Amino acid sequence: DAGVIQSPRHEVTEMGQEVTLRCKPISGHNSLFWYRQTMMRGLELLIYFNNNVPIDDSGMPEDRFSAKMPNASFSTLKIQPSEPRDSAVYFCASSPKVWHTYNEQFFGPGTRLTVL
Amino acid sequence: AQTVTQSQPEMSVQEAETVTLSCTYDTSESDYYLFWYKQPPSRQMILVIRQEAYKQQNATENRFSVNFQKAAKSFSLKISDSQLGDAAMYFCAYRSGSGGSNYKLTFGKGTLLTVNP
Repeated sequence: DAGVIQSPRHEVTEMGQEVTLRCKPISGHNSLFWYRQTMMRGLELLIYFNNNVPIDDSGMPEDRFSAKMPNASFSTLKIQPSEPRDSAVYFCASSPKVWHTYNEQFFGPGTRLTVL
Repeated sequence: AQTVTQSQPEMSVQEAETVTLSCTYDTSESDYYLFWYKQPPSRQMILVIRQEAYKQQNATENRFSVNFQKAAKSFSLKISDSQLGDAAMYFCAYRSGSGGSNYKLTFGKGTLLTVNP
């Protein structure tokens, strides 16, 4: 079974440009997470979807960031306009949320974003 | 809010030896889950081992085992017979078992493990 799929794996863009990161969760998983990883702040949860509905977006840093999940098999994280401080590795993770179990999160390979 | 502390930014071990990575956490909850994730240079986050707070028996997965001390709020990872492929960043993570935020993983800052041949 395929794991979480993210694209692109690497993205280099210039300040002010729009960036769209994509994620396909594991089939059957009903929870999806977007994380950002930087040296300074470590791994931060940006947004959490359950059954395609955003439940917690308190980690989204600014209005420049937006995330959507139009269906159970696809999600996007968009940054518009991008800034150099957005440079980081962005992870998507999915989880089979079942009551009273581990609900462990399975991570995608990440997208390394560089904003020049 | 829960916090996870990994006090060792870096560790090294000789191949075939045993190494223990430390993790402590702060919580007032009694129902929670703990995890160790491995992040090799490929960046992929890989789940290594997991533990439920109400289980007294320490989890074991092949060469990986934990020492879970609930009263001390400690969750260390022991890697036996270390292999070159174990070289990675290791993250300890906490998840609440109940309540409205029981989906959130709180990560430590990580411990970079080097395995010397």
